[in-house]
Amino acid sequence: EVQLVESGGGLVQPGGSLKLSCAASGFTFSGSAMHWVRQASGKGLEWVGRIRSKANSYATAYAASVKGRFTISRDDSKNTAYLQMNSLKTEDTAVYYCTSRGNSEGFDYWGQGTLVTVSS
Amino acid sequence: SYELTQPPSVSVSPGQTARITCSGDALPKQYAYWYQQKPGQAPVLVIYKDSERPSGIPERFSGSSSGTTVTLTISGVQAEDEADYYCQSADSSGTSFGGGTKLTVL
Repeated sequence: EVQLVESGGGLVQPGGSLKLSCAASGFTFSGSAMHWVRQASGKGLEWVGRIRSKANSYATAYAASVKGRFTISRDDSKNTAYLQMNSLKTEDTAVYYCTSRGNSEGFDYWGQGTLVTVSS
Repeated sequence: SYELTQPPSVSVSPGQTARITCSGDALPKQYAYWYQQKPGQAPVLVIYKDSERPSGIPERFSGSSSGTTVTLTISGVQAEDEADYYCQSADSSGTSFGGGTKLTVL
C-alpha cells in the first residue's frame, strides 16, 4: 500500500522558516518525481514545486509565488522528500500536501497534508 | 505553468448528468487530469490523460477533450458525488490546477 506522510507543519512568524518532510512507502520512491501542492483555507489547489529523480538529475521547478524562497530536496536513502520554506509570508498559510505520480501519470498518491500557519 | 479556467459552481439533481469544463490554451498539446476533493480530505484522481479512468473510479465518471477545452462528465449523479473538482495539466516547466468547481447535488 502506498503511503505519503507529511510532517513538520506548525505556527511560524512572518519572515520565519519551516521545513516540511514527506515520508514515502509502498512504491519506488527513488524513481519518482515528488511534488508539493498547497491549499489555503477555502481556496483551490496550488502547485508549489517538484523534484525529479536522480535519473533526471534531481531537477527542480517552482511556482512563481515561491521561487527563491522555497527549496525542495530529497533523500532517497530515507524515502523522504523535503520542502524548506524561508522568508514566509502570511499568504503562505495553507495545508501542504506531497504527491506523486503513479502509472496513470496523474497524481495518484497524496499525503494527508500538514498545516502551516504564518502569523504574528 | 499556465492558466486553466473552470466554472466556480455546477448544480444538478440526483440522477442527472453533470458537466464540468476546463479551458486552457495549452490543453490541445497537454493531457488533462481531474481530481475530486471532499471536505477535509486529500484530492483523489478520477480521470487521467483526458479520458482514462483509474481503477476503482465508478463508470459514471468520464472525460473528453475538444480543442482548448476538456470536460468531466458525471452521468447519473449521486449525492456522494458532491465535492470540489479540479482539472490539472503540466508541461516541462511545471504544473497548473484550475480554480476548482463546486458540484452541488440538489
